[in-house]
Amino acid sequence: GENVEQHPSTLSVQEGDSAVIKCTYSDSASNYFPWYKQELGKRPQLIIDIRSNVGEKKDQRIAVTLNKTAKHFSLHITETQPEDSAVYFCAAWATNKLIFGTGTLLAVQP
Amino acid sequence: DAMVIQNPRYQVTQFGKPVTLSCSQTLNHNVMYWYQQKSSQAPKLLFHYYDKDFNNEADTPDNFQSRRPNTSFCFLDIRSPGLGDAAMYLCATGQGSGYEQYFGPGTRLTVT
Repeated sequence: GENVEQHPSTLSVQEGDSAVIKCTYSDSASNYFPWYKQELGKRPQLIIDIRSNVGEKKDQRIAVTLNKTAKHFSLHITETQPEDSAVYFCAAWATNKLIFGTGTLLAVQP
Repeated sequence: DAMVIQNPRYQVTQFGKPVTLSCSQTLNHNVMYWYQQKSSQAPKLLFHYYDKDFNNEADTPDNFQSRRPNTSFCFLDIRSPGLGDAAMYLCATGQGSGYEQYFGPGTRLTVT
């Protein structure tokens, strides 16, 4: 079945450094790739998304890249801040539902 | 503000005692989803409604049922909760396929 692999499972960076989270999906028909940020005890919140007809999208400190051939997509956070600390989930749209990755716990050390 | 609302935010039930969680939306989205999320895990889709069409995930236990009486409301019924059903239950809405899903704040279910 459809699958999304996400790495790393935990990531610790110093404030101001960049963070990169990578995902790989299995369904070549997937055409929508959102990234969600989830703080402890709160709902997942969309931070950025990309469609299959675009290779890169940027929103201030956050960017997402997509390589359809390799079925890879990545989240890049620059100039990390302590408030970026959370669990990040990638997802891929496949067959009428989102398939989520397993999540990355990002810790930004002040 | 348009939003997804879940009630209650916290629910405690006894082992085997039926419980109903509710979700309402003011976004007028045609798709509503129910997810189960356990600690440190990704949300797990239980089922979704595309308009009135019900779509059950193959691995969703029969213990879980859902109702969508109208566009705005959707309910999750757990007929006989077990200890393993303790989790955060998230409702989400979306407009069509392949678009952003908007999550509600969740209901934290505890089974004693």
